[in-house]
Amino acid sequence: QSALTQPASVSGSPGQSITISCTGTSSDLGTYTYVSWYQQHPGKAPKLMIHDVSQRPSGVSDRFSGSKSGNTASLTISGLQAEDEADYYCSSYTRTDTLVFGGGTKVTVL
Amino acid sequence: QVQVVQSGGGVVQPGRSLRLSCEASGFTFRSYGMHWVRQAPGKGLEWVALISHDGNTENYVDSVKGRFTISRDNSGNTLYLQMNSLRPEDTAVYYCARSLHPYFDQVGYWGQGALVTVSS
Repeated sequence: QSALTQPASVSGSPGQSITISCTGTSSDLGTYTYVSWYQQHPGKAPKLMIHDVSQRPSGVSDRFSGSKSGNTASLTISGLQAEDEADYYCSSYTRTDTLVFGGGTKVTVL
Repeated sequence: QVQVVQSGGGVVQPGRSLRLSCEASGFTFRSYGMHWVRQAPGKGLEWVALISHDGNTENYVDSVKGRFTISRDNSGNTLYLQMNSLRPEDTAVYYCARSLHPYFDQVGYWGQGALVTVSS
């Protein structure tokens, strides 16, 4: 039950695009399409941004997109805005019928 | 709309027990898997446990196996987490969460969180 691997921090200027990677194994992310991304602002509960690798829930901006290749999933934020500054976590279903989260990535808008 | 409202939490001594509760509304509770996820102070999210819609399947992260028990009351739309033999490293905000789909493959909706502090 090792955590998925994410970069600790990513930064970008307003209007730019950034991509956050999330690396797992063949026991989780590499096998399943049950991959999600969550945004968390300080002191708040997480919010679902992407599910099933690339699906956006209703109400989530289309500036957020997800993809997966092999054992690595990615979240891209286009047209970066100040309100996107937050922590982002990936998650995957696993072969043992459990879930696993990534360590989290702090996004800074310069 | 989907709501999960948590209660419980607080300060407890090492080795003691505590039960968290989570009341659901806005959806057919008995049709969805449920999860508990925790976040230690200043740390990332850690999945803790899941239970299937009918309560027949429970799974746990290794660090809580044998100490924590997830359960549900479908007639009362309530999810529970019984935490026994608590350790200081169990100190965290605990989130109750509903699966996005009826199965328990992804977390979709989160409660507000409840802080559990294990300290003497």
